[in-house]
Amino acid sequence: KNEVEQSPQNLTAQEGEFITINCSYSVGISALHWLQQHPGGGIVSLFMLSSGKKKHGRLIATINIQEKHSSLHITASHPRDSAVYICAVGSTDKLIFGTGTRLQVFP
Amino acid sequence: DARVTQTPRHKVTEMGQEVTMRCQPILGHNTVFWYRQTMMQGLELLAYFRNRAPLDDSGMPKDRFSAEMPDATLATLKIQPSEPRDSAVYFCASGYQTYSNQPQHFGDGTRLSIL
Repeated sequence: KNEVEQSPQNLTAQEGEFITINCSYSVGISALHWLQQHPGGGIVSLFMLSSGKKKHGRLIATINIQEKHSSLHITASHPRDSAVYICAVGSTDKLIFGTGTRLQVFP
Repeated sequence: DARVTQTPRHKVTEMGQEVTMRCQPILGHNTVFWYRQTMMQGLELLAYFRNRAPLDDSGMPKDRFSAEMPDATLATLKIQPSEPRDSAVYFCASGYQTYSNQPQHFGDGTRLSIL
């Protein structure tokens, strides 16, 4: 079993829909990161959080430390949100990555 | 905006050749990471440095891979000899202090193809 599990693996949505991507982890962590990778592109750090909730524009990230679970929400999704979203947890001295969720938003 | 710069962006070479990838971290960042991304394995940590000292290279095949940081503005990842299974995208990232609770800034990656 992977130490970081993401669901779903693939997600399609119509423009304007509310999107949720989930991340569960099994190790103790000091922080959880959400990353975004566009096709053929680099990786951008969206959020780093260790408790509660963070919001940036249409993106919201939450974490429940007791349940070892985090969610990334996208409100009013747009085709430009199409990308792979990667959850990564910071444990001891290493970042452990999930396998990513591929999101496609259609107009 | 300050960025992590990686060169080259793309590299195609034949098996057995030496490959050198370079990374210029963001000025002031004291921690540099090398990652490899493949379809099968996703993102994996190969090695990382803090204040130019190697802290962990356990993710790296020691017989053919080497990572160095000759100065604070340059990190290198070398593969010698290269093999087709090394084909992947190699990312460099930099951050400040303990990376697990600080955001990392990623370069655009080097897309490596070994024929």
